[in-house]
Amino acid sequence: EAQVTQNPRYLITVTGKKLTVTCSQNMNHEYMSWYRQDPGLGLRQIYYSMNVEVTDKGDVPEGYKVSRKEKRNFPLILESPSPNQTSLYFCASSGAADTQYFGPGTRLTVL
Amino acid sequence: GESVGLHLPTLSVQEGDNSIINCAYSNSASDYFIWYKQESGKGPQFIIDIRSNMDKRQGQRVTVLLNKTVKHLSLQIAATQPGDSAVYFCAENIRGGSEKLVFGKGTKLTVNP
Repeated sequence: EAQVTQNPRYLITVTGKKLTVTCSQNMNHEYMSWYRQDPGLGLRQIYYSMNVEVTDKGDVPEGYKVSRKEKRNFPLILESPSPNQTSLYFCASSGAADTQYFGPGTRLTVL
Repeated sequence: GESVGLHLPTLSVQEGDNSIINCAYSNSASDYFIWYKQESGKGPQFIIDIRSNMDKRQGQRVTVLLNKTVKHLSLQIAATQPGDSAVYFCAENIRGGSEKLVFGKGTKLTVNP
């Protein structure tokens, strides 16, 4: 089954404790993206990757890092999480000039 | 700055009626638009897309209309069903593909039985 998976689905952590949210797709897509979704603000892009070792900032990249060492994986790294990063995070992937397919989401709470 | 927005944040319709969800975009260079549906607790799900060289595109029970003159996009859902209840987002991309999308804030559609 073609899908985008994220782990963990739910995470509660404390300020400053580094964390990684994993994202994996099995569709051999070149493009992958991370979004955060906040009430009243909709979906905002954090980072995206057009291919292996190629990443670029989205609209709200501050406080986040990504890497794309292999095509199927695109982890989101929060080196020092802060409460304003409490949000619902979505990973998405797409083939060239194709629609994006979204993962199920990761709900992160930073205390 | 450039933005994608929605005229109505909420829409309530009766089962069986047709629904119309509207979206305004401000980037005249946008050439690809997508409508997504997001059900509670789930990620956005692709519904239909349209490129700027088209005015209308139809899918199963859904139609997207694009008016480039006034920078307006709409999603029409025919014979709305309870399963259509969700938040609907429009999104735009200025590069022809979907690797970098700008989303509207969403419209919540409620279908009453």
